[in-house]
Amino acid sequence: EAGVAQSPRYKIIEKRQSVAFWCNPISGHATLYWYQQILGQGPKLLIQFQNNGVVDDSQLPKDRFSAERLKGVDSTLKIQPAKLEDSAVYLCASSLDSFSYEQYFGPGTRLTVT
Amino acid sequence: DQQVKQNSPSLSVQEGRISILNCDYTNSMFDYFLWYKKYPAEGPTFLISISSIKDKNEDGRFTVFLNKSAKHLSLHIVPSQPGDSAVYFCAARPGSNYKLTFGKGTLLTVNP
Repeated sequence: EAGVAQSPRYKIIEKRQSVAFWCNPISGHATLYWYQQILGQGPKLLIQFQNNGVVDDSQLPKDRFSAERLKGVDSTLKIQPAKLEDSAVYLCASSLDSFSYEQYFGPGTRLTVT
Repeated sequence: DQQVKQNSPSLSVQEGRISILNCDYTNSMFDYFLWYKKYPAEGPTFLISISSIKDKNEDGRFTVFLNKSAKHLSLHIVPSQPGDSAVYFCAARPGSNYKLTFGKGTLLTVNP
């Protein structure tokens, strides 16, 4: 079974630039999550999708972050414009559905904002 | 406000000995707890979990203990192996929704 795929793996941008991350969840998984992990911290949930609908985006900084999952499969997370404090690893995870306890994580995208 | 706390940033043990990783939580609404393991440049992988109706769950070398009155859980690894060297995250979720709250993680180093 293929795992959660993410790209790119690494990205370096200057502040005020924009960046986009892509995630392809495990086939058949209805629920998709985006997490932000700042160095030395645990992952923090940014947004949760159930199929192509948003379940929870309470911790997403909506003035600069946006995410979509148009066809209920893969998803993109965008930051525009980026700030220095956005430097982090962005993790995508998926689960069979919202009731599943186990989430499967991708390898993450390490973003450095200079 | 940190609702899930892992107060030990790192732990070093000898191969073959027991590793004990600790986690405390403050939110009494949490009713399911998970441990994830993370290697460098990889995403976290699920290790073991426990429901609040239990006080112990065992899976091979890994055992998780839950003390609800103390709002404390621990992960025991016996015997520890060098391949267990990784960052271990404790996570918790309430029964009312399925949002995971993670601790900051503990770096475990198992020395040969």
